[in-house]
Amino acid sequence: QVQLVQSGAEVKKPGASVKVSCKASGYSFTAYYLHWVRQAPGQGLEWMGRINPNSGATNYAQKFQGRVTLTRDTSISTAYMELSGLRSDDTAVYYCAREFSLAYIKLDSWGQGTLVTVSS
Amino acid sequence: DIQLTQSPSSLSASVGDRVTITCQASEDITNYLNWYLQKPGKAPKLLIYDASNLEAGVPSRFSGSGSETDFTFTISSLQPEDFATYYCQHYDNLFQVTFGGGTKVEIK
Repeated sequence: QVQLVQSGAEVKKPGASVKVSCKASGYSFTAYYLHWVRQAPGQGLEWMGRINPNSGATNYAQKFQGRVTLTRDTSISTAYMELSGLRSDDTAVYYCAREFSLAYIKLDSWGQGTLVTVSS
Repeated sequence: DIQLTQSPSSLSASVGDRVTITCQASEDITNYLNWYLQKPGKAPKLLIYDASNLEAGVPSRFSGSGSETDFTFTISSLQPEDFATYYCQHYDNLFQVTFGGGTKVEIK
């Protein structure tokens, strides 16, 4: 079955960078886009961007342009989200999610989430 | 950018109740709207895609309808495991994803 397994919780200081991984299994990694979505404590879902694991092409939310970098390593079926210039309001749970697309598009499988805490 | 406005932001209901949540888009999005459920501490789970299609394995008490700017999500008979937060979501042709603000369904 489709599984997305994310790396563990991180604690970072303001100004630092964090890199979260998302390992895919149970399907062809390069056949489906992967998205990254975050959720601050007690808040709603916020889309950050997506990556085409086959080509490496990316699309980012305007809010995160220049601060987030999505990459992948096809040899180990793993996608990465790196966020730089961390601030306290970047404290959130970060999720990866698989995009399934035909005539419609849906995020049909999600990772378990990775808590990133930014604190001095 | 397209905005999605969900209402209500929260509601209280009893087991067995019919629950309806709306999602209004700031412009015509045809039927490109999905619905998710999220329980505390868990990842979102897809329930409905393309406005009205039930994801495989999702109980038939969940349904969605609507098109253009106005969409409705309904739980026909609320079950104990349905107490959660629900989100609508749109994906546009510029590869941007937008979520609604969420609706928390609580026990009355």
